[in-house]
Amino acid sequence: QQQVKQSPQSLIVQKGGISIINCAYENTAFDYFPWYQQFPGKGPALLIAIRPDVSEKKEGRFTISFNKSAKQFSLHIMDSQPGDSATYFCAASGGGSQGNLIFGKGTKLSVKP
Amino acid sequence: GAVVSQHPSRVICKSGTSVKIECRSLDFQATTMFWYRQFPKQSLMLMATSNEGSKATYEQGVEKDKFLINHASLTLSTLTVTSAHPEDSSFYICSARDEWQGAVDEQFFGPGTRLTVL
Repeated sequence: QQQVKQSPQSLIVQKGGISIINCAYENTAFDYFPWYQQFPGKGPALLIAIRPDVSEKKEGRFTISFNKSAKQFSLHIMDSQPGDSATYFCAASGGGSQGNLIFGKGTKLSVKP
Repeated sequence: GAVVSQHPSRVICKSGTSVKIECRSLDFQATTMFWYRQFPKQSLMLMATSNEGSKATYEQGVEKDKFLINHASLTLSTLTVTSAHPEDSSFYICSARDEWQGAVDEQFFGPGTRLTVL
């Protein structure tokens, strides 16, 4: 019940296209859902985060869509660029997790020029 | 913004030696820091939660005598890998929460430390 399931495992998108990564969770006590971007050999960097009281949050080219009833949330990267090529992790925390982040397995995004 | 540093960025050691990794919050105080381990092409695995002034909380399956954690101040936590073996080779990443700024859920990650045990 503490798992966060992320898909797809890898994704190839053409430059200018939309990248979509999906995550699903089971624990309804989760109340914080961040997305992290990680480049090879670097630590994860917070990209954008959402709480269950809103269904969508947008920051620049990055949008989180949140569906509380389905217990799913997704990251949309608009106008994808080669510089967006990285591994993306969704995560969740709250409730009984004591603030600990539960990470998805990650999605390796490649944006082709 | 909140910055977390780690030192060293990479270390190579011989089997049987101990290695200390430092995690510092540079511009904020962190009561709580976290230590993660990441294998190639895998996700982050939480090893332990480090609490300033008290004992760390280890996740199930993580040997506390193997991975010693000390959180002696509000800006520094250390992870010591004792009697390191090749299977301990991994990417170790710390994170910290800036609890005084109100965003108590947000974790800021360090750049990671690549440990290679020969």
